[in-house]
Formats: sequence, structure tokens, C-alpha cells
Amino acid sequence: SQQGEEDPQALSIQEGENATMNCSYKTSINNLQWYRQNSGRGLVHLILIRSNEREKHSGRLRVTLDTSKKSSSLLITASRAADTASYFCATGDDYKLSFGAGTTVTVRA
Amino acid sequence: DTGVSQNPRHKITKRGQNVTFRCDPISEHNRLYWYRQTLGQGPEFLTYFQNEAQLEKSRLLSDRFSAERPKGSFSTLEIQRTEQGDSAMYLCASSSPGQGFTGELFFGEGSRLTVL
Repeated sequence: SQQGEEDPQALSIQEGENATMNCSYKTSINNLQWYRQNSGRGLVHLILIRSNEREKHSGRLRVTLDTSKKSSSLLITASRAADTASYFCATGDDYKLSFGAGTTVTVRA
Repeated sequence: DTGVSQNPRHKITKRGQNVTFRCDPISEHNRLYWYRQTLGQGPEFLTYFQNEAQLEKSRLLSDRFSAERPKGSFSTLEIQRTEQGDSAMYLCASSSPGQGFTGELFFGEGSRLTVL
């Protein structure tokens, strides 16, 4: 079974717009990670946020974490065509991650 | 740093045949993981090695599946008597714990299996 669930399942936006996706999880965590996967490729780590952090930034990415609601959000600002991909949140201990089903983002030119 | 390498990238086989996938992790990484991903889903954990020791196996890894990492470097994942339900992307990842450990996994491009 998968620990996290992303919402929405799919998202289509215009280039330059922001994209926001959410992740809800079930059990307490030490950290939460976000990964990106281009079609037919492997996953690429984007950002990790620890349970004692509420917000973290990396370039055009902003991640928030609300442990009281067991939820996280990923914001991609000023989206580009290259941001078209599936985005997954992942939780777990240091060797066994549980991934959600992902949010598929399509950025239209 | 050449990244995690997986071979073959694609494999089409008939039901009942055996297949083997190989993963070469990032050279300084002592941890290696196998995940399986079906269409429209996120990756699911299969197994984990620290050096040559296989420390955990998921219940998803039936008796037909075997993974090895004989010298603590590359790993192989063998599926015997393949079934159509084995069709999936098999992803390998590696990581290195220690100072500055972030929990980040470095994934290969995956090996896509299609069982006819």
C-alpha cells in the first residue's frame, strides 16, 4: 500500500503560471521528499523537508509541510515546458520509501 | 559521477521465460534498492542491500524473484517463470548514508519489462 496520496492526479497549466500539488500521508514521518519523473525515465530527487521544518525553497520550488494535518504541498513557480512531468511525494525511513501515485503536470507553451 | 546505470532498458519476453536485470549504482554508494512501478502508480519498494547484504525484502517479492549483490557493487534482479502481472518498470536506486545524509535516492532510468 502507498503511504502518500497526491492531489490532483493531473494538472494542466500555461507556461509561466504556477503549479501547486498536494500530498497527504497517513503515519508520522521524520521527513518527506518530492521527486520528479519525466515520461519513461527514472525519478529525480527535488527536495527533502524534515518534520521540524514548515517550509523550504529550492530555486523555483517551494515545499510546505503541516505535520498536524499530515500534508505537504509543492509549488512550482513560473512553470516551463521542461517542468512537464509526474511529481511524487515520498515518506519513510532512510532505506524504504513509500511513494504516492503522483501528480501529472502538463505545461502548455 | 556516471549515475545509476540499468540494463537492459527494455525487455519483451514470453510468459514463463526468465529475465534478469542489472543495476550498477553510483560507485561510492553502499546502499542499493529495487523498486517496481506499474503504469499510473508510484514506485513500490521491493528490496534493499547494504553492501552485499540483502537487509529487507518486500512481500511483493515472491519466490519467483531473486536479487543479488555479490560483491557489494552491481546488483541483479532475476524473475523466473514470468507472468503477465510482472509487466512493469523495475527501478534501481542507490544512496550513501553518513555525514550529510539527506535520505535522497539516486534512481536509474529503469528497465521496462513487458510479458506477452
